[in-house]
Amino acid sequence: SAVISQKPSRDICQRGTSLTIQCQVDSQVTMMFWYRQQPGQSLTLIATANQGSEATYESGFVIDKFPISRPNLTFSTLTVSNMSPEDSSIYLCSVEGMNEQFFGPGTRLTVL
Amino acid sequence: AQRVTQPEKLLSVFKGAPVELKCNYSYSGSPELFWYVQYSRQRLQLLLRHISRESIKGFTADLNKGETSFHLKKPFAQEEDSAMYYCALSGPRGSTLGRLYFGRGTQLTVWP
Repeated sequence: SAVISQKPSRDICQRGTSLTIQCQVDSQVTMMFWYRQQPGQSLTLIATANQGSEATYESGFVIDKFPISRPNLTFSTLTVSNMSPEDSSIYLCSVEGMNEQFFGPGTRLTVL
Repeated sequence: AQRVTQPEKLLSVFKGAPVELKCNYSYSGSPELFWYVQYSRQRLQLLLRHISRESIKGFTADLNKGETSFHLKKPFAQEEDSAMYYCALSGPRGSTLGRLYFGRGTQLTVWP
């Protein structure tokens, strides 16, 4: 199995600012996924990040709002830019391995 | 379009009673179906997948392609089963699973 850590675990931010979330995996993985879980809602995929290529964004998500970096096979960052209260969510990093996806503990973001 | 429907947001049963968490899906093809579980203060983790046809912690789930359902069942619920359960699907397995589509989740509470 893959062990995933995320930083920060939670944050409270002012609108208009940006927050970068880090995801670290204990093994090399090809595909990393970023999900969002808004209050009372299901998990929604933001983008898929493969090392060495641009991230692939899902409908409704754009690179200017959610820039992603994937500098190597064990690390990725997701930035939530120009935040508004609607961005208040849990953001989850996920990786694939051994016929399943493993999830990080999540980053709980509150935007005031 | 891909869709996973969990009609019950909340489900409560007494200890020892049978429990069934419903999941219906729509997918133009042969998807892979999963149940993920999130216990209080823990990260999301895989409970079982249809392709394995396994029983985990007493839970089973049968894929019914005719009814496009993948309901999760346990004959005798335990208090430690209280958690949030998510049904999810991915496309047919190739070299990778790819992204997951999640239902909104069902919060199961098992009363003593």
